[in-house]
Amino acid sequence: GDSVTQMEGPVTLSEEAFLTINCTYTATGYPSLFWYVQYPGEGLQLLLKATKADDKGSNKGFEATYRKETTSFHLEKGSVQVSDSAVYFCALTSIYGNNRLAFGKGNQVVVIP
Amino acid sequence: GAVVSQHPSRVICKSGTSVKIECRSLDFQATTMFWYRQFPKKSLMLMATSNEGSKATYEQGVEKDKFLINHASLTLSTLTVTSAHPEDSSFYICSAGRDRTSGVHYNEQFFGPGTRLTVL
Repeated sequence: GDSVTQMEGPVTLSEEAFLTINCTYTATGYPSLFWYVQYPGEGLQLLLKATKADDKGSNKGFEATYRKETTSFHLEKGSVQVSDSAVYFCALTSIYGNNRLAFGKGNQVVVIP
Repeated sequence: GAVVSQHPSRVICKSGTSVKIECRSLDFQATTMFWYRQFPKKSLMLMATSNEGSKATYEQGVEKDKFLINHASLTLSTLTVTSAHPEDSSFYICSAGRDRTSGVHYNEQFFGPGTRLTVL
């Protein structure tokens, strides 16, 4: 079945550092790919998405490119802020799956001033 | 934008009681709603998918008699945790998806803010 794999473990970095969170996927057909962010005590918010190969999703300084050849959708931000501290989830949905989302395990990002 | 609300945001109840959580899509018709459970430091676990006017489809391992889901209208789905026990304590999150005929964003889910359930 469809699945998403995120790199293991929390990510701790200093303010203004470069952030990368890896995400790879396994899916049939051509899934849509998403990054969601969850701030402490809150639900999930869509951060960005891409619906076809080579699309780049971007929002709030974050970017991710849909790479079909490597089945990846890595999240990047050039200069993080303390306010970016949150849990980040990579997810996909397939047109065959009734819009069901398959989530990665999430990565806790902590940005230190 | 598409806004989904949940009520209550936080509930504390005694063991053995039932708790109802509401999920509402405020500005669009949601033909499909999803219920997730999130454990501490864990990802979201899909519990069930509900389609308006029909029975919910539960994921393997989720007790349908324990977690009753009703999707009576295009803007409201409810999750009732029956005879709650401490192990049911968790963060419950709903999401809503648009009908394909809506065109834009039909493959997206819009998430509610979550409900923190604590069973004493």
